[in-house]
Order: sequence, then structure tokens, then C-alpha cells
Amino acid sequence: NAGVTQTPKFRVLKTGQSMTLLCAQDMNHEYMYWYRQDPGMGLRLIHYSVGEGTTAKGEVPDGYNVSRLKKQNFLLGLESAAPSQTSVYFCASRTPGTGTWNQPQHFGDGTRLSIL
Amino acid sequence: SQQGEEDPQALSIQEGENATMNCSYKTSINNLQWYRQNSGRGLVHLILIRSNEREKHSGRLRVTLDTSKKSSSLLITASRAADTASYFCATGSTGGFKTIFGAGTRLFVKA
Repeated sequence: NAGVTQTPKFRVLKTGQSMTLLCAQDMNHEYMYWYRQDPGMGLRLIHYSVGEGTTAKGEVPDGYNVSRLKKQNFLLGLESAAPSQTSVYFCASRTPGTGTWNQPQHFGDGTRLSIL
Repeated sequence: SQQGEEDPQALSIQEGENATMNCSYKTSINNLQWYRQNSGRGLVHLILIRSNEREKHSGRLRVTLDTSKKSSSLLITASRAADTASYFCATGSTGGFKTIFGAGTRLFVKA
């Protein structure tokens, strides 16, 4: 049981290049999330998905696209990378919860992305 | 914008001492969670307290929640060097899909 796995762990891009970050979870979770973490700013939600084939915008979605073609995978794409997108990207997943109560999220170890 | 704000931003203590971190939030919540992040790793869930609970324990962790003051505290007793990490509070709302994270408290435990 690997939990949440993110690929790649590190990447350096040039401005204008595109790339896709992969998140895979083996816990059969319905909900999946992409965050970025910048110094002193905690985690900011980029996009999220509440089920296969569904996606929604979070707090900072501009410049990113996502897809959830399979329940276990959530892809984050950078269409045209910019230096402002240099960050550490985290994927997380969770079950919907019981009744009205939320459940905790399970995180991957992050992708460290530098854009020159 | 961040829902939760942790205080202090950084904390340095000696091994064996207790560490207390506080979190304040702005809107109604369903639950409040605390996470730990070791350097270079992802966040790990520590404890969840529901809005109808006032106190919860897990090992050396004690969490309190005061919904009237919109605040929570995390107490780590008898701290160890291995507790050195960043600690985040996070809030969830009823029927909501999102969890909102604060900026975190950096804890350094000196051996």
C-alpha cells in the first residue's frame, strides 16, 4: 500500500515549456487535490476533483489544467510554465466522509518544480 | 486567503518541554485538523476534532477547540527532537469538499 505517489519528485523547466505532474493513489479515494506550497504561505488549492471525470477550480487555478480520467490518477498540467509557478506541488486524496463529517487528507511527498 | 492562522510562526524549545501552538480561523467549521510536515516531505495527518468536541487526545498530543472564539490549540507534551517539523491547522466545512490550511508553525526541538 503506497498511499499517494507523485511523479516526478524534481523538475527544472524553462519559461514557456509545458509539463504534466502525475498523482496516483491506491486507497480508492473519491476526492483528490492539487496544492502548491510557497514559503510563508501554507498550502493553496489549485484544482480538485470529487470523482472520476470531474474537476473544479480552487484558489489559484490560473495557468494550470487538470484531468481525472481514472479514479486513482489526478494529473496537473502546466501549459506554458512561468517563473511564478516555481513551487513545491502536493497532491492529496481523501474519502468523502460519513454523513456531514469530513475526513483527513493523505498527502504525497511533493514535486519540487523550478522554472528558469 | 488563509482560513487558519497559526501562532507562533516559529517556536524553539528544549527536549522534554511542552510545545503549544495556536490556530485561529474565521468562518464556521465542521472540523479542525492538525498536520505535521517534516522537511522535504508531505503533510501527515495528526488529529481531527469535530465542531461538537472540545478536547481530544492522541498519545502525546492534546487538541482543544473553542468554537465561540474560533480557535484551537495543539499541545505536544514531553517533546522530542523527532518532533521538529512544521505544524499546520486546517479547517473543513459541512458538506464542503475543501480543507483550508494555515501557514503553519515551525517547531524546533533542541536535544
